[in-house]
Amino acid sequence: AQSVTQPDIHITVSEGASLELRCNYSYGATPYLFWYVQSPGQGLQLLLKYFSGDTLVQGIKGFEAEFKRSQSSFNLRKPSVHWSDAAEYFCAVGSMEYGNKLVFGAGTILRVKS
Amino acid sequence: KAGVTQTPRYLIKTRGQQVTLSCSPISGHRSVSWYQQTPGQGLQFLFEYFSETQRNKGNFPGRFSGRQFSNSRSEMNVSTLELGDSALYLCASSAGSSGYTFGSGTRLTVV
Repeated sequence: AQSVTQPDIHITVSEGASLELRCNYSYGATPYLFWYVQSPGQGLQLLLKYFSGDTLVQGIKGFEAEFKRSQSSFNLRKPSVHWSDAAEYFCAVGSMEYGNKLVFGAGTILRVKS
Repeated sequence: KAGVTQTPRYLIKTRGQQVTLSCSPISGHRSVSWYQQTPGQGLQFLFEYFSETQRNKGNFPGRFSGRQFSNSRSEMNVSTLELGDSALYLCASSAGSSGYTFGSGTRLTVV
């Protein structure tokens, strides 16, 4: 069965510090990978996506993610966190083999302290 | 370019009633997917429509149904509402490898 694991439910970082959010997946097909961010009461905003090619993907708001097939991981990084980055972050995986269906991780809530 | 529009934003319904939610995808996007988000179960796939045909379905009871119109707008219907149907319902539209763009969601509360 397809699954996505985000091991950290909550993460707190200081403003200006670096950030890494972890994502591991189990998927029996060639995966497409996504990171979304959600502010309270809002929908999901796409930060970045990986379909193929370069395994280091650049996204919006200064985020990047690296696809590591050998580790089944797609970790999200940002070199310097801003207070406005506080939100919940979701990793998701999809595949053409499974149709347009995304499987989401449980999410990681990011708190930023000043 | 307008984003994905979901209406209404908020709904309060009574147990046993039915509800219809609407989603207008990004112009040119033919695929519309629906997701349910709850604190306990997280984000779960409901179904996906492409060119008016249901192409994929998640593990939800038959009370949850949907349809897509020729202009790609989609509706989902939940009949005989239960308290556990209270959730944020999110719609996403897609045009192949562009990824999935989500709307702001409809917050459904069942009392």
